[in-house]
Amino acid sequence: GAGVSQSPSNKVTEKGKDVELRCDPISGHTALYWYRQRLGQGLEFLIYFQGNSAPDKSGLPSDRFSAERTGESVSTLTIQRTQQEDSAVYLCASSLGLAGAQTQYFGPGTRLLVL
Amino acid sequence: GQQLNQSPQSMFIQEGEDVSMNCTSSSIFNTWLWYKQEPGEGPVLLIALYKAGELTSNGRLTAQFGITRKDSFLNISASIPSDVGIYFCAGRDAGNMLTFGGGTRLMVKP
Repeated sequence: GAGVSQSPSNKVTEKGKDVELRCDPISGHTALYWYRQRLGQGLEFLIYFQGNSAPDKSGLPSDRFSAERTGESVSTLTIQRTQQEDSAVYLCASSLGLAGAQTQYFGPGTRLLVL
Repeated sequence: GQQLNQSPQSMFIQEGEDVSMNCTSSSIFNTWLWYKQEPGEGPVLLIALYKAGELTSNGRLTAQFGITRKDSFLNISASIPSDVGIYFCAGRDAGNMLTFGGGTRLMVKP
């Protein structure tokens, strides 16, 4: 498709289980970002990838969170041993690059509920 | 870390009224962005501002980049029901990272 896609759109899991969230960026976009959005709140930066450079993981809230990206394509955000506080919408965005004028295009998000 | 204070948190207005919302920061940004998010969707960029003092319009939307580079406002004129959603400001710093405000939830009564 033409936009950023994410899957699954919704995920319900039990506390303690691991989850994997997937993001397909817009073709040709070298930069990819993950954000977390708690109910009624703004977006918290988690991690970004730029081409083949080492990712900026400064926003990851704990070592239970990790993300991978192969080249300039799909990215996977993994949350291990999920906690109820991990319940949120996880948004992915991509842009042509990191230059100041590059617009970030967002996917629809994955709604995660940890019971 | 950087903090963005966005206000008001919510607005419930009559169709046809004008709307104003703003963001203030504890530090300087190089770019201010305004996004709109509708239920079940990701944020969509409305307006981008790149220079202090810049005033930019997009249809009924007008936004300004504050002179101090620490604030921005968004105005919506003659609101319509489809303006309903959550509006987010975001500032981009020298490291090209975005910091988002907490959002303004807009509700429009027909």
